[in-house]
Amino acid sequence: GAGVSQSPSNKVTEKGKDVELRCDPISGHTALYWYRQSLGQGLEFLIYFQGNSAPDKSGLPSDRFSAERTGGSVSTLTIQRTQQEDSAVYLCASSGFGTDTQYFGPGTRLTVL
Amino acid sequence: DQQVKQNSPSLSVQEGRISILNCDYTNSMFDYFLWYKKYPAEGPTFLISISSIKDKNEDGRFTVFLNKSAKHLSLHIVPSQPGDSAVYFCAVIYSGAGSYQLTFGKGTKLSVIP
Repeated sequence: GAGVSQSPSNKVTEKGKDVELRCDPISGHTALYWYRQSLGQGLEFLIYFQGNSAPDKSGLPSDRFSAERTGGSVSTLTIQRTQQEDSAVYLCASSGFGTDTQYFGPGTRLTVL
Repeated sequence: DQQVKQNSPSLSVQEGRISILNCDYTNSMFDYFLWYKKYPAEGPTFLISISSIKDKNEDGRFTVFLNKSAKHLSLHIVPSQPGDSAVYFCAVIYSGAGSYQLTFGKGTKLSVIP
């Protein structure tokens, strides 16, 4: 079946602009995660959605970052007023529940000039 | 302050030999541990996991060992194959009341030499 998909695969933007990154999880998966991998860094947890519960936003690095998940499926990560330090690969993953296996998408490479 | 440390950024192993990847963590409250493998230009793929109530989990060529007293996690790959060459991330999960946190190490690049 179809895995996790993300779009766009690459995004180049100018400093100060807003960007939206999209994630389509595996159908039926209740949990959805956003991560960021910056050059030379490990994977950084950003935000976690479980079903219709309020998301765990504890990993969001600043208030410029927000995410929503419509209808318990597709999720959008929005970065407002992008900064150069936001340049990274943004990865989305989904899982059946809680600590089940997480399946990752291919990521979106964001470059802020 | 890093909660999860992979102190070896890289490791080279001869094909057929054992690869041992190490990971240290700081919080004894972590209750689930995972290893991921990542190839260039791809997202990470889940490899193997272990819960805090166990000290060993084996899946084919891959075995994960957990030493809770030392707060140490290791992944053994036997025998190593060239296709195992990738970056390996350990990750820990804390699922306390009202929160769920997954923390990754910075990865170890494994190169298996034919």
